[in-house]
Amino acid sequence: DTGVSQNPRHKITKRGQNVTFRCDPISEHNRLYWYRQTLGQGPEFLTYFQNEAQLEKSRLLSDRFSAERPKGSFSTLEIQRTEQGDSAMYLCASSTDRWDQPQHFGDGTRLSIL
Amino acid sequence: DAKTTQPPSMDCAEGRAANLPCNHSTISGNEYVYWYRQIHSQGPQYIIHGLKNNETNEMASLIITEDRKSSTLILPHATLRDTAVYYCIVKGSGGSNYKLTFGKGTLLTVNP
Repeated sequence: DTGVSQNPRHKITKRGQNVTFRCDPISEHNRLYWYRQTLGQGPEFLTYFQNEAQLEKSRLLSDRFSAERPKGSFSTLEIQRTEQGDSAMYLCASSTDRWDQPQHFGDGTRLSIL
Repeated sequence: DAKTTQPPSMDCAEGRAANLPCNHSTISGNEYVYWYRQIHSQGPQYIIHGLKNNETNEMASLIITEDRKSSTLILPHATLRDTAVYYCIVKGSGGSNYKLTFGKGTLLTVNP
């Protein structure tokens, strides 16, 4: 069990640029989740995948955000035309598909918009 | 999912037991209680979860009251590395069973 891996750990970009983050889940986990965390707050749910299917999206996920999980393995989260308000920690988690089993988180990608 | 209430902060002396309370008075029958912690600049770390029986693992013990309306996370011998924000989350098998809803948690400070 190598844990959930996220890259990059930090990303600094100018407003208006596009950014993409990658998440590699725990290998036997079918479910993959994305959360966002701003300073002083707990993580907030963005979206989740069951294998390659994206099954739920929060209203926090505007049309500038897109997530994919090709072949049900790693996932990417892309933000287009970044805005100041996108500055946050983006966290990825994975779990088995049993609803009672815990989600395991990576250490996140911290995005800073200049 | 039921809402949880936690104190915003607590202090504990190194080597002593840390007892972190959580109130979840509206919990329903199939909802589990999960505990996570988050050390600065890291992702949330899963600690333990339970339904109605007390649970223990290598990190902590979880005590759930008989009526399930509250629980306590116990770190038996706190160390400085246990300083973190601790989140108590309730999640069931209902429509939103895919997501964890985090509150603001309890900032536990372990003092030397």
